[in-house]
Amino acid sequence: NAGVTQTPKFRVLKTGQSMTLLCAQDMNHEYMYWYRQDPGMGLRLIHYSVGEGTTAKGEVPDGYNVSRLKKQNFLLGLESAAPSQTSVYFCASSPPSGGPDTQYFGPGTRLTVL
Amino acid sequence: QKEVEQDPGPLSVPEGAIVSLNCTYSNSAFQYFMWYRQYSRKGPELLMYTYSSGNKEDGRFTAQVDKSSKYISLFIRDSQPSDSATYLCAIYDYKLSFGAGTTVTVRA
Repeated sequence: NAGVTQTPKFRVLKTGQSMTLLCAQDMNHEYMYWYRQDPGMGLRLIHYSVGEGTTAKGEVPDGYNVSRLKKQNFLLGLESAAPSQTSVYFCASSPPSGGPDTQYFGPGTRLTVL
Repeated sequence: QKEVEQDPGPLSVPEGAIVSLNCTYSNSAFQYFMWYRQYSRKGPELLMYTYSSGNKEDGRFTAQVDKSSKYISLFIRDSQPSDSATYLCAIYDYKLSFGAGTTVTVRA
């Protein structure tokens, strides 16, 4: 079991460029989440999905889009990157029947926007 | 107002000291209080959680909740250099809301 994996691990973009972050999980979890982590801010929820084909906005969704075409994958897109999107991005997944202790996090993607 | 407030520190202690970490939360209806540990350049991992109020102990770690003051605490006894990490408190209300995280360094 690989758990939750994220691709790429690091990326540097120029302002205005686009990119997609991939999250994959092999635990057959229904729920998946994208967070960003900034110094002094903790983790903030960007978007989440409660199942294949469904997505919903979190706390800080502006500037991001997501898609959940397959149950095991959750994609986070930046259409026109801005320096304010420089952050570490974490994906997580959990089963729907699970309690608070069932959310598993990936290793993160470090994104720098110049 | 953020749902969870946490002093980001940093905190530096000598090996063997007791580490005390604290958070406050805003909504008295919250029931699940979480503590995550995050090593440098890694994802957060759940350390322990408590339901409602009271204490929970797991080895050298103790989590406390004081619902009357909306205060949650994590204590690390006999701290070790391997405990050096960022500790994040969170509340769970069908989604997680995190504090800012406190970076702890235990000096050998």
